[in-house]
Amino acid sequence: DGGITQSPKYLFRKEGQNVTLSCEQNLNHDAMYWYRQDPGQGLRLIYYSQIVNDFQKGDIAEGYSVSREKKESFPLTVTSAQKNPTAFYLCASRPLHTDTQYFGPGTRLTVL
Amino acid sequence: AQKITQTQPGMFVQEKEAVTLDCTYDTSDQSYGLFWYKQPSSGEMIFLIYQGSYDEQNATEGRYSLNFQKARKSANLVISASQLGDSAMYFCAMRERQTGNQFYFGTGTSLTVIP
Repeated sequence: DGGITQSPKYLFRKEGQNVTLSCEQNLNHDAMYWYRQDPGQGLRLIYYSQIVNDFQKGDIAEGYSVSREKKESFPLTVTSAQKNPTAFYLCASRPLHTDTQYFGPGTRLTVL
Repeated sequence: AQKITQTQPGMFVQEKEAVTLDCTYDTSDQSYGLFWYKQPSSGEMIFLIYQGSYDEQNATEGRYSLNFQKARKSANLVISASQLGDSAMYFCAMRERQTGNQFYFGTGTSLTVIP
């Protein structure tokens, strides 16, 4: 089945620890995105990438890092520098010459 | 200024009735795309419908239609014949094609379908 997978669905970490969220797609999409969603709010862009080995900061990139070594993979690392990391994280992908982006199921991160 | 504004935090609709969810947008680009996504309690964002800024006809996808009024910069979602499974959060979004690849999302509208 083609789609976007994010793992794990729920993630718990202690304060001060870095944590990496996985995002994989087998749709052959070129662009990939990471969003953060807080309760009662819309989505805010963290990072996006249009091609392998290239990515751009979104509106709230501070405290996060990404890599794009393979077209199908776009992992997000939440570093200890991120002051309020507890949130719902959504990954999305988009074919290069179309507008619509498609989302994975999300990872809910809780920092204790 | 907000790029996407959804002014209805919560809406209720009787089962089998139609409902309109409001969305206004702000852009100076001539070329852009408008989207609606549904987010059930599971959290996944489900793509519903798309409207390009140059599309002259309103987009339709099954029970969903997008009422696109370009001069008013509005892109309202109409759901016909509401079903209990339509209860969810609904987000309006926009992509400005000329100024970059970012998507902008509204704060969402919570729709509850009453039996």
